[in-house]
Amino acid sequence: GQSLEQPSEVTAVEGAIVQINCTYQTSGFYGLSWYQQHDGGAPTFLSYNALDGLEETGRFSSFLSRSDSYGYLLLQELQMKDSASYFCAVSPASGNTPLVFGKGTRLSVIA
Amino acid sequence: DSGVTQTPKHLITATGQRVTLRCSPRSGDLSVYWYQQSLDQGLQFLIQYYNGEERAKGNILERFSAQQFPDLHSELNLSSLELGDSALYFCASSVGLGGYEQYFGPGTRLTVT
Repeated sequence: GQSLEQPSEVTAVEGAIVQINCTYQTSGFYGLSWYQQHDGGAPTFLSYNALDGLEETGRFSSFLSRSDSYGYLLLQELQMKDSASYFCAVSPASGNTPLVFGKGTRLSVIA
Repeated sequence: DSGVTQTPKHLITATGQRVTLRCSPRSGDLSVYWYQQSLDQGLQFLIQYYNGEERAKGNILERFSAQQFPDLHSELNLSSLELGDSALYFCASSVGLGGYEQYFGPGTRLTVT
């Protein structure tokens, strides 16, 4: 099976950098995805890591280390609009679920 | 705007009733997924259809069923509703089967009273 652990809440200051960690236990997976969800909104796709290493998309970067069963989302130059919940998700190599989500990290950006 | 549409946006109904939620995927997407999101459970995968056929099934209750039609829109049917079924129901779509990059609709908020 698959399970993912994320911190439930993180608070950071506007303009700063924040890292949201995701550790996982899985019997095999194709890659790690990250989604953002604002209050009352729908999840939106942010990034996907199929290979170990860092993927950068503007202010957001995502990292995967399969050997450490660990990934993270890095948000730079934080803005108030980045306040949202962030979910990591794995694409399992077996089983009945195409994408398994973590419970999410609620990020609060403060002035 | 993800390109995925869901109706209705809100639904209030009584216990024991049956409702149908509707989803239209992004143009060109063949996979449709249904999720349930409640405060304490996160995003729970219910079911996936690909080009009209059921492809994967999660923890979907027997009281729930879904289908995907030839025009690729999908419906999720919830019957014998219970208070605990109150949640946000999201539909998502993707081009292929892989599904790591999914596009979510705005959701239907179901309240069972």
